[in-house]
Amino acid sequence: AQTVTQSQPEMSVQEAETVTLSCTYDTSENNYYLFWYKQPPSRQMILVIRQEAYKQQNATENRFSVNFQKAAKSFSLKISDSQLGDTAMYFCAFMKQSNQFYFGTGTSLTVIP
Amino acid sequence: SAVISQKPSRDICQRGTSLTIQCQVDSQVTMMFWYRQQPGQSLTLIATANQGSEATYESGFVIDKFPISRPNLTFSTLTVSNMSPEDSSIYLCSVGPTEAFFGQGTRLTVV
Repeated sequence: AQTVTQSQPEMSVQEAETVTLSCTYDTSENNYYLFWYKQPPSRQMILVIRQEAYKQQNATENRFSVNFQKAAKSFSLKISDSQLGDTAMYFCAFMKQSNQFYFGTGTSLTVIP
Repeated sequence: SAVISQKPSRDICQRGTSLTIQCQVDSQVTMMFWYRQQPGQSLTLIATANQGSEATYESGFVIDKFPISRPNLTFSTLTVSNMSPEDSSIYLCSVGPTEAFFGQGTRLTVV
């Protein structure tokens, strides 16, 4: 079975500072994808960043980057220069080759002005 | 990318009744997924809907409670049957294949 664990239920960061959200996962599969999704109060799930497990290079998307440690099954999200619009629930997700997703329990991030 | 329209966006229903949620995609997709997000919690996969075959349900979810239709490659429905207050949740549909695109969700309240 696949499990995704986010150990930080809530976090806060000062505007313009950097914050890192943690995620670990457990799987016996070798080929898979990892994602970070953002869910603002509007409840729309928005893709933040994606990482293919076969790629060693960490994915980067503007202010968002990941630290992917495959052996440790760790996939953390770093948000640089935090903005007020980053305030949201962040979900780490794992996708099997069958396209089935498994989500972590989420981290509520608040950016403080 | 895919654009997904989900209807209704919210509803308040009486216990014992059923609600059908619609999910329309702007392109043909092989697999569509239905999730439930209970208040303050993460997303849980209910089932995978494939066109031309019965949906595949995850552990804890059954067809009698959550019947799913997939008449073509751009449309699917999820029915929440014989509702109780415990069914109050957000229901979301999504499509792949290499990332999940989500509809806006349906916020269901059962009274």
